[in-house]
Amino acid sequence: DGGITQSPKYLFRKEGQNVTLSCEQNLNHDAMYWYRQDPGQGLRLIYYSQIVNDFQKGDIAEGYSVSREKKESFPLTVTSAQKNPTAFYLCASRRGTGANYGYTFGSGTRLTVV
Amino acid sequence: KQEVTQIPAALSVPEGENLVLNCSFTDSAIYNLQWFRQDPGKGLTSLLLIQSSQREQTSGRLNASLDKSSGRSTLYIAASQPGDSATYLCAVNSAKAGNNRKLIWGLGTSLAVNP
Repeated sequence: DGGITQSPKYLFRKEGQNVTLSCEQNLNHDAMYWYRQDPGQGLRLIYYSQIVNDFQKGDIAEGYSVSREKKESFPLTVTSAQKNPTAFYLCASRRGTGANYGYTFGSGTRLTVV
Repeated sequence: KQEVTQIPAALSVPEGENLVLNCSFTDSAIYNLQWFRQDPGKGLTSLLLIQSSQREQTSGRLNASLDKSSGRSTLYIAASQPGDSATYLCAVNSAKAGNNRKLIWGLGTSLAVNP
């Protein structure tokens, strides 16, 4: 079955560390997205990529970095510059950006700073 | 600026009831609207996508309607079951956010269906 796989499910980060969250899709979707979810807030867009080797900042890109070297992979690195990284991170993809294309989400990674 | 509001924030109903979840948005310039379900600690599951040219979509016991002129969408759940208990999120694909057609999210309605 096609879908989006996020790993790990839980991740713990020490102060000053960089950590990388994995997102892989086998849906042959062109566009991929990273969202952050915090209690009491709507999902917020971190980065997105509409095509391989290209990505754009979202609303809260500071302290994060991404790469899109392969169509099926869009890893997110949370750097030490992100001062409040504890959150639930969701990866999503779409076949394209037309009005008839919906979003498919992964199962998420919960990141906790220890 | 597009804003999305979901009312009520929480809802508790007995099993078997038909129920309606509401989503309102402030700017009618949208490409589509999508309803999602989220179980505690889990990712999002897409339920229904309504394009801006459509009035409603149906999947099983779920029916979503869209009225762009009034900035409203409703998700109707027929014959609710305890397994429907989850948070339901509405997201609008704004037409005014450049090529990305950015999603604007509501805060969700937390639904509890009691046996």
